[in-house]
Amino acid sequence: EPEVTQTPSHQVTQMGQEVILRCVPISNHLYFYWYRQILGQKVEFLVSFYNNEISEKSEIFDDQFSVERPDGSNFTLKIRSTKLEDSAMYFCASSGQGARSYNEQFFGPGTRLTVL
Amino acid sequence: SQELEQSPQSLIVQEGKNLTINCTSSKTLYGLYWYKQKYGEGLIFLMMLQKGGEEKSHEKITAKLDEKKQQSSLHITASQPSHAGIYLCGADSGAGSYQLTFGKGTKLSVIP
Repeated sequence: EPEVTQTPSHQVTQMGQEVILRCVPISNHLYFYWYRQILGQKVEFLVSFYNNEISEKSEIFDDQFSVERPDGSNFTLKIRSTKLEDSAMYFCASSGQGARSYNEQFFGPGTRLTVL
Repeated sequence: SQELEQSPQSLIVQEGKNLTINCTSSKTLYGLYWYKQKYGEGLIFLMMLQKGGEEKSHEKITAKLDEKKQQSSLHITASQPSHAGIYLCGADSGAGSYQLTFGKGTKLSVIP
């Protein structure tokens, strides 16, 4: 069964460093998303991406964040200068179609980011 | 913004018992999604509901959306230890937006 994969599973970084989180969405999907979950809190939407551009983003997704689909398979989230409060589990998701009725988002296993 | 309230926050049941988890929205729901999350892992898609009064089942799990589309329930029949985890409801806001807003989750423990 096709699945979303994410690497690395755990990333530890120093405050102020840049990190890139990687995702491989399900191959025939068109929409891609990043969410995050701070320990003990809700899963929060960060950004959605379609047709090689951002379609929606939340207030969390400020200038420190960027997304890219550098090739036909990978989808990345970059945090330019990490802060302590960026420590969270980051989930990538993908969905197949634009019509809402097909908006079944499939999530990857997550990358746990720890900022020291 | 849309808020989702889940109840109960946690639930401990004996194996074989039935249980229900509720999700109430502050606004009319356009799409309601149920996910299961094991601690420290990703979200597993369970079901999506869209129409008022809609009901879907998968194995021993049934989800319903009320007619007014502001409340959904997830019912598990004859619970098993494999059902243990955190159940999350999520909603999209419609109007061409696909971002999901999630509730805080309901932690289910099943005692053998």
